[in-house]
Amino acid sequence: QQQVKQSPQSLIVQKGGISIINCAYENTAFDYFPWYQQFPGKGPALLIAIRPDVSEKKEGRFTISFNKSAKQFSLHIMDSQPGDSATYFCAAINYGQNFVFGPGTRLSVLP
Amino acid sequence: KAGVTQTPRYLIKTRGQQVTLSCSPISGHRSVSWYQQTPGQGLQFLFEYFSETQRNKGNFPGRFSGRQFSNSRSEMNVSTLELGDSALYLCASSLAGIPYHGYTFGSGTRLTVV
Repeated sequence: QQQVKQSPQSLIVQKGGISIINCAYENTAFDYFPWYQQFPGKGPALLIAIRPDVSEKKEGRFTISFNKSAKQFSLHIMDSQPGDSATYFCAAINYGQNFVFGPGTRLSVLP
Repeated sequence: KAGVTQTPRYLIKTRGQQVTLSCSPISGHRSVSWYQQTPGQGLQFLFEYFSETQRNKGNFPGRFSGRQFSNSRSEMNVSTLELGDSALYLCASSLAGIPYHGYTFGSGTRLTVV
């Protein structure tokens, strides 16, 4: 029940295209859902996060869509750029516990 | 503002040895969490320390241990190293013990066991 599933495992997108990464969870106690971006040789960095009382959050080219009833959330990267090429992790947490991370999606944006 | 600092960046150890990794959190952050990252298992939570006390622990054997000092710096120790311990070890710090307030990762220590 603590697992967070993430798909796809890898994704190749053309420059200017839309990248979509999906995550699903089981534990309804989770109350915070962040997305992290990780470049080679670096630690994960917070990209954007959402709480379950909001269905969508947008920050620049990055949007989280959240479906509480389906227990799913997704990251959309609009106008994808080669600089967006990285590994993306979704995560979930409930207060007092610790993060549960998805397995990651390796995104490659072709120039 | 300085970020989370992990030292050393790279380590090569032999099976059976032990290793100690260090993490200096962001100033003012009192919670430090440790993760193991491998290609096969992803990011797995090891343990969290807050105010020098271990508050949460993941499903790792007792060979993995940690501690936190009064200045919030934390160390992680792995004894009797195995080949499977080769991984990127990440620490993350956060404010006041609420894990997702300002949760920031360091760049990690790459441990290779030969």
